[in-house]
Amino acid sequence: ILNVEQSPQSLHVQEGDSTNFTCSFPSSNFYALHWYRWETAKSPEALFVMTLNGDEKKKGRISATLNTKEGYSYLYIKGSQPEDSATYLCAFMAHSGGGADGLTFGKGTHLIIQP
Amino acid sequence: DADVTQTPRNRITKTGKRIMLECSQTKGHDRMYWYRQDPGLGLRLIYYSFDVKDINKGEISDGYSVSRQAQAKFSLSLESAIPNQTALYFCATSDGVGSLETQYFGPGTRLLVL
Repeated sequence: ILNVEQSPQSLHVQEGDSTNFTCSFPSSNFYALHWYRWETAKSPEALFVMTLNGDEKKKGRISATLNTKEGYSYLYIKGSQPEDSATYLCAFMAHSGGGADGLTFGKGTHLIIQP
Repeated sequence: DADVTQTPRNRITKTGKRIMLECSQTKGHDRMYWYRQDPGLGLRLIYYSFDVKDINKGEISDGYSVSRQAQAKFSLSLESAIPNQTALYFCATSDGVGSLETQYFGPGTRLLVL
């Protein structure tokens, strides 16, 4: 069983502040690292798929970095807005002989933006 | 119309009953997955299928079986439901395009086993 850890488990942030949280994953057999955003009562939606060490991805005010050698990824949100409130999931994909297997998800960081 | 649909959306059943959760997709993807979500545990992979003839066990397959009836359909069965299978179940699909593949999730099925 692969160990994918996210911290913190939950986070309260004031509107307008910037924030970040962490995903730790195995540094061996790396294939890809995914970030998903999961709003209450909706389905998880993909934010980023990251594959190369040093990758940086950006979508609006949200960005992510990847360090495969040390096994971590950071997700940053700049100038938080109430609509950013959600659970942010990271998921690790290991490289197997025939390609890649399913995703192993972390437990998520539950982000609440306070007006 | 949603690309990935799940039926039913909510289900209450009793211990020992057999139930089937269905997933359909119009994305034309070969790869399909079943996950369950429990509070505090995140999403865990139950089964996955890379094409119609391919079925693979995930992390927590015990007590579950699946059927890939067609490229577009992937069903999850609980042969004899038990209370600890109460959870939120998600179906997902992906295009399997190398390491950049993204998974697309259905709306979820909330299952309560009494």
